[in-house]
Amino acid sequence: EVQLVETGGGLVQPGKSLKLTCATSGFTFSTAWMHWVRQSPEKRLEWIARIKDKSNNYATDYVESVKGRFTISRDDSKSSVYLQMNSLKEEDTATYYCSRSFAYWGQGTLVTVSS
Amino acid sequence: DVVMTQTPPSLSVAIGQSVSISCKSSQSLVYSDGKTYLHWLLQSSGRSPKRLIYQVSNLDSGVPDRFSGTGSQKDFTLKISRVEAKDLGVYYCAQTTHFPWTFGGGTKLELK
Repeated sequence: EVQLVETGGGLVQPGKSLKLTCATSGFTFSTAWMHWVRQSPEKRLEWIARIKDKSNNYATDYVESVKGRFTISRDDSKSSVYLQMNSLKEEDTATYYCSRSFAYWGQGTLVTVSS
Repeated sequence: DVVMTQTPPSLSVAIGQSVSISCKSSQSLVYSDGKTYLHWLLQSSGRSPKRLIYQVSNLDSGVPDRFSGTGSQKDFTLKISRVEAKDLGVYYCAQTTHFPWTFGGGTKLELK
């Protein structure tokens, strides 16, 4: 059974950092391209980052609104993907999901950016 | 960015009724490989999104054939025949042809 479990969310002040983890199981993680998608309190979905596999040099892509602030990475030995979020803004408040190509999703982790 | 416009924003339906949801994109979703990367997802209350249909018309495993997807280029439709209570929730279309990938605003399907 495919499982994706996100952790690391919480309440953080504007300008601070947070790192999310997505632990996976049930599929060959090393060849999977992994994504982070967030859902605002208004329920709008926004794709934010992708990381490819080793054969594609772990290439990454980001939506413009997080470029330079967020970094996606992975550890194939732990079947995990990460999202390092720096310089957080109130508009980054959302539930963050990891996903394998939209076919599989985690349960999400809530990030609230507020002073 | 490709703008995905879903209509209607909400639908009230009786059990057993059939409904259709429209999704229009601001650009053609045909990729250079000839395939069209338009997908439909359902988010039931309190749950994560779940993909139902990929590449316009292909049902994901376990999705009943009451669901069907049609369309091409910039105009797509999800049809649900004989709606059941477990079909209620918010439906999203999504495109993965052009970066950044984008979603429609959602269509909330609720009981009449």
